[in-house]
Amino acid sequence: EAGVAQSPRYKIIEKRQSVAFWCNPISGHATLYWYQQILGQGPKLLIQFQNNGVVDDSQLPKDRFSAERLKGVDSTLKIQPAKLEDSAVYLCASSFARTSGVQQFFGPGTRLTVL
Amino acid sequence: AQTVTQSQPEMSVQEAETVTLSCTYDTSESDYYLFWYKQPPSRQMILVIRQEAYKQQNATENRFSVNFQKAAKSFSLKISDSQLGDAAMYFCAYVRAQGGSEKLVFGKGTKLTVNP
Repeated sequence: EAGVAQSPRYKIIEKRQSVAFWCNPISGHATLYWYQQILGQGPKLLIQFQNNGVVDDSQLPKDRFSAERLKGVDSTLKIQPAKLEDSAVYLCASSFARTSGVQQFFGPGTRLTVL
Repeated sequence: AQTVTQSQPEMSVQEAETVTLSCTYDTSESDYYLFWYKQPPSRQMILVIRQEAYKQQNATENRFSVNFQKAAKSFSLKISDSQLGDAAMYFCAYVRAQGGSEKLVFGKGTKLTVNP
């Protein structure tokens, strides 16, 4: 079974530029999560989708971050314009269902460096 | 708001020996799940073990076991017969059982080094 795919793996941009990350969850997984992991910290949820609807985006900086999940499968996370503090690893995860105890499967992440 | 604290930024263990990683959490919920995730240098987070709060029995998965103390809000991970492949960042995580999103709340992690 293929895992969660993310691209690109690495991205370097200058502040005020825009960037987009792509995630393809495990086939059949209805729930998709984007986490931000700043160096030295644990991941923090940015947004959770159930199919193509948003469940929780309370920690998403909506003035610069946006996310969508077209057709309830792939998802894109965008930052525009980027700030220095956005340097982090962006992790995508998916789970089969919206059940709290169910396992979330993580992708390899995209490491973003903002100069 | 729920919080998860890992007080050991780094730990080391000799190969074949046992090590325990600590985790405490704060919540007003009575029903929830706790997890330990492993993140090797390649950064793909992998589930190690899961504990349901309403179960008194401690979870075990091969060489990995937990000591879950609900009243103390403590959830430690014991790794027995440590192997070189166990070297990684270990994250303790919490998720509420009902209501709202299923977001994982993570601690800051413990970096485990395994010495040959």
